[in-house]
Amino acid sequence: DIVMTQSPDSLAVSLGERATINCKSSQSVLYSSNNRNYLTWYQQKPGQPPKVLIYWASTRESGVPDRFSGSGSGTDFTLTISSLQAEDVAVYYCQQYYTSPPTFGGGTKVGIK
Amino acid sequence: QVQLVQSGAEVKEPGASVKLSCEASGYTFTSYSINWVRQISGQGPEWMGIINPRDGSTTYAQRFQGRVTMTRDTSTSTVYMYLRSLRDEDTAIYYCAKRIDSSLNIFDYWGQGTLVTVSS
Repeated sequence: DIVMTQSPDSLAVSLGERATINCKSSQSVLYSSNNRNYLTWYQQKPGQPPKVLIYWASTRESGVPDRFSGSGSGTDFTLTISSLQAEDVAVYYCQQYYTSPPTFGGGTKVGIK
Repeated sequence: QVQLVQSGAEVKEPGASVKLSCEASGYTFTSYSINWVRQISGQGPEWMGIINPRDGSTTYAQRFQGRVTMTRDTSTSTVYMYLRSLRDEDTAIYYCAKRIDSSLNIFDYWGQGTLVTVSS
């Protein structure tokens, strides 16, 4: 199975400041035939299921604010919240869908400083 | 609108079995596979398996092989997940989640979750 490792475990950022979350996969999730990274990011708020933010490592899901962006390729990925809002307080997970079983990172908890 | 509505919380003793349900609406039930994902408190989600409602075919995560069974009822657009030989470490929230398309394990809609507590 592909192991997904996120860092940091938690971070606190001032409102309006940038938050950066990292995700590393134990093997590449870049499919060479289509040059796509099979990596998605979810946001999970307390008491709710995860919600898709980004897929193909950098494509925002419909309705997701553009302050959320994803980058990276191969084994190293980043989710950036460019200007943290109060409603962004949540746990964020990366997940690979390159191979079965799909596997998730351990999560990064984002809070307000 | 797409909805996945799950059955209510369960409390079970170790060694028992549990059957959870997930009723889908707002889309063509047989067009998209349903996955089961569980989440132990404070941990990342863990994929358990997938069922294709069109033909009932299933694939299970290796660690649950032999303990889990997923079925569907197309007449009620409902998927079921049966987990047996429960242990304390199976205490978790169990989610059903719809696949975004026919081949990609991206989960675009989730049920509200069912808390299963295993305790003597």
